[in-house]
Amino acid sequence: NAGVTQTPKFQVLKTGQSMTLQCAQDMNHEYMSWYRQDPGMGLRLIHYSVGAGITDQGEVPNGYNVSRSTTEDFPLRLLSAAPSQTSVYFCASIADNSYEQYFGPGTRLTVT
Amino acid sequence: AQTVTQSQPEMSVQEAETVTLSCTYDTSENNYYLFWYKQPPSRQMILVIRQEAYKQQNATENRFSVNFQKAAKSFSLKISDSQLGDTAMYFCAFESGGYQKVTFGTGTKLQVIP
Repeated sequence: NAGVTQTPKFQVLKTGQSMTLQCAQDMNHEYMSWYRQDPGMGLRLIHYSVGAGITDQGEVPNGYNVSRSTTEDFPLRLLSAAPSQTSVYFCASIADNSYEQYFGPGTRLTVT
Repeated sequence: AQTVTQSQPEMSVQEAETVTLSCTYDTSENNYYLFWYKQPPSRQMILVIRQEAYKQQNATENRFSVNFQKAAKSFSLKISDSQLGDTAMYFCAFESGGYQKVTFGTGTKLQVIP
């Protein structure tokens, strides 16, 4: 199993550009989530999904969209990038019984 | 809403010594899960240990153990025989079960000194 994969690993955007961060998991987990990690603030939940076709907002959803058309994929879209969205982004899925989160390797995004 | 507090931004420990990282949380839930995750410089988040709130026995995983005090809402991590590879950020996390949102603390940066 590849676990949770994320692409790209690094990305630089200009203010106003849009892009999609890709996330995929091959463990058949229903629950997936997106976090951003900023210094001194831990991980903050952006959006999450409890299954295909079902998504909901987390703590910091503004400026981001998600969709979940399949169990495997959970892309995160930045609609119009802003410098405040400079961060490291993690995708994770949760094992159904243990509630353990499996994280992707992260994407370091810089918005100039 | 649940909150998780890690009051030690940075800690250091001599190699082979023991160190304890603190975590407190606030919740009105009775059934929940608590986790410690490790983030080494590689940035990959790795589960260290988990504890179900309904279990009174403290979880242990090799050199890692927890002191879970449900009434005090405290969940500390003890690392015994510290190794250089333990150098990392450690995050405490709370999950109330039923696929609810997971709340993370702000992390403790641990440096193991040779």
